[in-house]
Amino acid sequence: DVKVTQSSRYLVKRTGEKVFLECVQDMDHENMFWYRQDPGLGLRLIYFSYDVKMKEKGDIPEGYSVSREKKERFSLILESASTNQTSMYLCASTERQTQYFGPGTRLLVL
Amino acid sequence: SQQGEEDPQALSIQEGENATMNCSYKTSINNLQWYRQNSGRGLVHLILIRSNEREKHSGRLRVTLDTSKKSSSLLITASRAADTASYFCATLNAGGTSYGKLTFGQGTILTVHP
Repeated sequence: DVKVTQSSRYLVKRTGEKVFLECVQDMDHENMFWYRQDPGLGLRLIYFSYDVKMKEKGDIPEGYSVSREKKERFSLILESASTNQTSMYLCASTERQTQYFGPGTRLLVL
Repeated sequence: SQQGEEDPQALSIQEGENATMNCSYKTSINNLQWYRQNSGRGLVHLILIRSNEREKHSGRLRVTLDTSKKSSSLLITASRAADTASYFCATLNAGGTSYGKLTFGQGTILTVHP
């Protein structure tokens, strides 16, 4: 079974803090994705990566950056957290077009 | 912007009834997928239908695809309380190198009452 894990289920941070969200997959997938999910807005793509050190912006990259130094790990970075980044963050990896999701990180920025 | 638009936004039924959810999309697709999300959790892939297919079954799930109308429907037969979840359609656009990038709809919240 494919397993995608995320570093935290719940996270509380203060405005201005640098926040790291980590995602690890164990299936040697090439492509990995970061989404945020907000009520009424569905899933919106922040960034994705198609290989180590390769990344592309999604629909809402502002305020975020990513890092993919190893194939199995894809990190989402909030350089300076703001209250409007309070959300559910979902990581996914994919092979053959089906996406496998982690359990999500619910981030609250105070 | 989200390509998939789902209808209804919320659906409430009794156990044993069938549940039908619809999804519309705007551009040409390679395939359309349905995912399920239990409250506060990640999404789980349910079924994939390719653009050259019209209908697909998996257990109690039946998916149809009408590319001329750019729409799909997900039918869950003989629903159970455990089917209570949010259901999302997602499309993989046709052409180009997409890296498996999907566009998700806003989801339908299904509640099945015991």
